[in-house]
Amino acid sequence: AQSVTQLDSQVPVFEEAPVELRCNYSSSVSVYLFWYVQYPNQGLQLLLKYLSGSTLVKGINGFEAEFNKSQTSFHLRKPSVHISDTAEYFCAVNSWAAAGNKLTFGGGTRVLVKP
Amino acid sequence: GAVVSQHPSRVICKSGTSVKIECRSLDFQATTMFWYRQFPKQSLMLMATSNEGSKATYEQGVEKDKFLINHASLTLSTLTVTSAHPEDSSFYICSVIPSGGLADTQYFGPGTRLTVL
Repeated sequence: AQSVTQLDSQVPVFEEAPVELRCNYSSSVSVYLFWYVQYPNQGLQLLLKYLSGSTLVKGINGFEAEFNKSQTSFHLRKPSVHISDTAEYFCAVNSWAAAGNKLTFGGGTRVLVKP
Repeated sequence: GAVVSQHPSRVICKSGTSVKIECRSLDFQATTMFWYRQFPKQSLMLMATSNEGSKATYEQGVEKDKFLINHASLTLSTLTVTSAHPEDSSFYICSVIPSGGLADTQYFGPGTRLTVL
């Protein structure tokens, strides 16, 4: 079975400050890891993904994430946030060998960027 | 990038009626589509996997007769909420994997907000 835990349900942050969103996963086999962003009343947009190779993954909108196998984590970071980064962020895992193409999502982290 | 559409984007219906939601893949053929529901301020919960030309695979706890899924073509899957009740009010999102693709190439629709009065 695969599972994802996002440790923070809500993260308030001031504009131009850095932000880190934490994600830990559980799986008995190799995984693919994803971060998605959801703006109000919209679907999900892929920020970045880790499939293999370099553990530091760069995505869109200045976001990056680091895969840490020993800590089973995939934390998302941005060095300087904008008001437009206010949204819900979801970490997701796919352990293809165990679950086929199914994604399992974390509970989400709501980021509120304050001016 | 790839485009997935959902129709309608928003629907309000009376309790006891049925509602059909469409998910279309506009740029590619898709043998696999997924249906999720999302309650307010919660995460996405997978409801079922829709396979073109075969019966959908439902997740545990999801009523097959309540949520009818039809994947009639390689670009269209429909979710019908039958005899809708207020507790069915939710945000329904579909996702699509292009034929031959894996989970890392999954594209999401914009969602459909269902409100049952």
